[in-house]
Amino acid sequence: SQELEQSPQSLIVQEGKNLTINCTSSKTLYGLYWYKQKYGEGLIFLMMLQKGGEEKSHEKITAKLDEKKQQSSLHITASQPSHAGIYLCGADNNDMRFGAGTRLTVKP
Amino acid sequence: NAGVMQNPRHLVRRRGQEARLRCSPMKGHSHVYWYRQLPEEGLKFMVYLQKENIIDESGMPKERFSAEFPKEGPSILRIQQVVRGDSAAYFCASSPPEEAYEQYFGPGTRLTVT
Repeated sequence: SQELEQSPQSLIVQEGKNLTINCTSSKTLYGLYWYKQKYGEGLIFLMMLQKGGEEKSHEKITAKLDEKKQQSSLHITASQPSHAGIYLCGADNNDMRFGAGTRLTVKP
Repeated sequence: NAGVMQNPRHLVRRRGQEARLRCSPMKGHSHVYWYRQLPEEGLKFMVYLQKENIIDESGMPKERFSAEFPKEGPSILRIQQVVRGDSAAYFCASSPPEEAYEQYFGPGTRLTVT
């Protein structure tokens, strides 16, 4: 089965700083999803990447997919306290799998 | 400790029929979330339930869809008079009462409406 490893597990940054979260798959990535989770709420879909080299942006969040490295990165520019939460990557190869998540804290 | 269980794994319904999807949370978990994944899209939140209570149903379609999590038994997502657009994978997740961040996902039910 496909395993997804996220790094780092947790991240504390000062407001305004940039940051990157990585997601590495043990198997070929045919598509990858990024989600954000706020405490006590359901997952919020951020974006889906399907093709190698694909890059998508949503407000100040950009994600890329590197098929060769079986890896995706999520980059936040000029972080805000509203970006705080847990970021999860997911992949669906008949069974939906998720990484363990990266807990982001943004200090004002 | 068994993980989150969903059944059936695959469900085929004709237009106009009812679909019932079941989710048994992990032991000790009292919170359940339902998500829908349409083809080529990510998971979309539908509803968040605690035992005998609907906490947040902001993602549920206004008609034909309902969810419950009774005191005893699994959580049920019910879709009445299914249409082709309801074809999707439906996932549930459960979390313990003291840590709402820890959502454990079931394998999903893939609904096909013919």
